[in-house]
Amino acid sequence: GENVEQHPSTLSVQEGDSAVIKCTYSDSASNYFPWYKQELGKRPQLIIDIRSNVGEKKDQRIAVTLNKTAKHFSLHITETQPEDSAVYFCAATSGGSYIPTFGRGTSLIVHP
Amino acid sequence: SAVISQKPSRDICQRGTSLTIQCQVDSQVTMMFWYRQQPGQSLTLIATANQGSEATYESGFVIDKFPISRPNLTFSTLTVSNMSPEDSSIYLCSVVPAGGTEQYFGPGTRLTVT
Repeated sequence: GENVEQHPSTLSVQEGDSAVIKCTYSDSASNYFPWYKQELGKRPQLIIDIRSNVGEKKDQRIAVTLNKTAKHFSLHITETQPEDSAVYFCAATSGGSYIPTFGRGTSLIVHP
Repeated sequence: SAVISQKPSRDICQRGTSLTIQCQVDSQVTMMFWYRQQPGQSLTLIATANQGSEATYESGFVIDKFPISRPNLTFSTLTVSNMSPEDSSIYLCSVVPAGGTEQYFGPGTRLTVT
């Protein structure tokens, strides 16, 4: 089955800096890659996703890139703000399945 | 997206008892799932709730411990049976809305077993 590795487990940045979270996956059939943000005590929220026919997608300060050949995808947050502090989960979903395999999560801390 | 509600939001239960968690969605969905999230951990899929038939369980989870019902396209229940302190966790339902592929999560039920 699919295996998703996520790094780093913890990321600490100063407000205004950029943050990058990286994930690798093992199943070449995976074609959908969502990212979730989970604030303390809240539900995971879908913040951005990318499909395998696209190399990059951007939404304001958030962008995701996908390298199908290398089987890795990354989340980029620019101009970080304290409210970006949360745990971020990457996931990969194989074609035909609705069930994602989640990474272990990255705790992002943005210091004011 | 879909509006998802769960009841109860939290509960403290005695070991050996059972708790049933409800998940209600405001629109028809293709898929409904139940996840467990232990403190500081990632999301672990318990099962896929199938409408009108038995749920599909992931490795390590069995129907006797986690019976699931899904009587229609917008409602599902998860029961945690014969609870032990190891069952203390957050239980989340999630859905894939009809016509979509994105998965959305309910607010979760925080269960503490004493």
